[in-house]
Amino acid sequence: QQPVQSPQAVILREGEDAVINCSSSKALYSVHWYRQKHGEAPVFLMILLKGGEQKGHEKISASFNEKKQQSSLYLTASQLSYSGTYFCGTNFQNYGQNFVFGPGTRLSVLP
Amino acid sequence: EAGVAQSPRYKIIEKRQSVAFWCNPISGHATLYWYQQILGQGPKLLIQFQNNGVVDDSQLPKDRFSAERLKGVDSTLKIQPAKLEDSAVYLCASSFDQPFGRLLTVNEQFFGPGTRLTVL
Repeated sequence: QQPVQSPQAVILREGEDAVINCSSSKALYSVHWYRQKHGEAPVFLMILLKGGEQKGHEKISASFNEKKQQSSLYLTASQLSYSGTYFCGTNFQNYGQNFVFGPGTRLSVLP
Repeated sequence: EAGVAQSPRYKIIEKRQSVAFWCNPISGHATLYWYQQILGQGPKLLIQFQNNGVVDDSQLPKDRFSAERLKGVDSTLKIQPAKLEDSAVYLCASSFDQPFGRLLTVNEQFFGPGTRLTVL
């Protein structure tokens, strides 16, 4: 059962902020975030393992609301290099199986 | 540190032919994944190995797809016979996961460059 991502696509100007959401109807054990640039492989951004956990990576941070079964990725003061497709991924149990990626959110940062 | 290696990078075949992909994970990574990524979609897990054992192959079309990971290191994914809808990028990933009894924490996955398969 694939997690849902919103929005499907977003266009920003350099320096603007964006939020990408990932939610599920099933309980989430962990949430992973990856970025994939066109023609390249996905690259890891961060993992959130516990409800309420927040992490940051440069100007990209994320939160995980276990009760709401959702995670949000925050991109602050976006740069041109942030352009790409962002995927959340999760496994719904803590046995390491059934890893599922969401459909992705395409982010375009314009100068 | 060398990354995940995959070959070939590109493959064009006709439907009903067979094809095989090879993956060599990062040294020391016990977990190896094969994903299928159709254009415009997220990667779909086909099979997950922990060392040389299969952890999850629930989404592998077993009538035509097979995979093995002999000796718990490199792995091959085979499609026989291929169909038009198999056209996709096949990604291999590996991770260093920490088993704790029955639990297995999924850590960062490192992806290879992928193999782009075109079935005509």
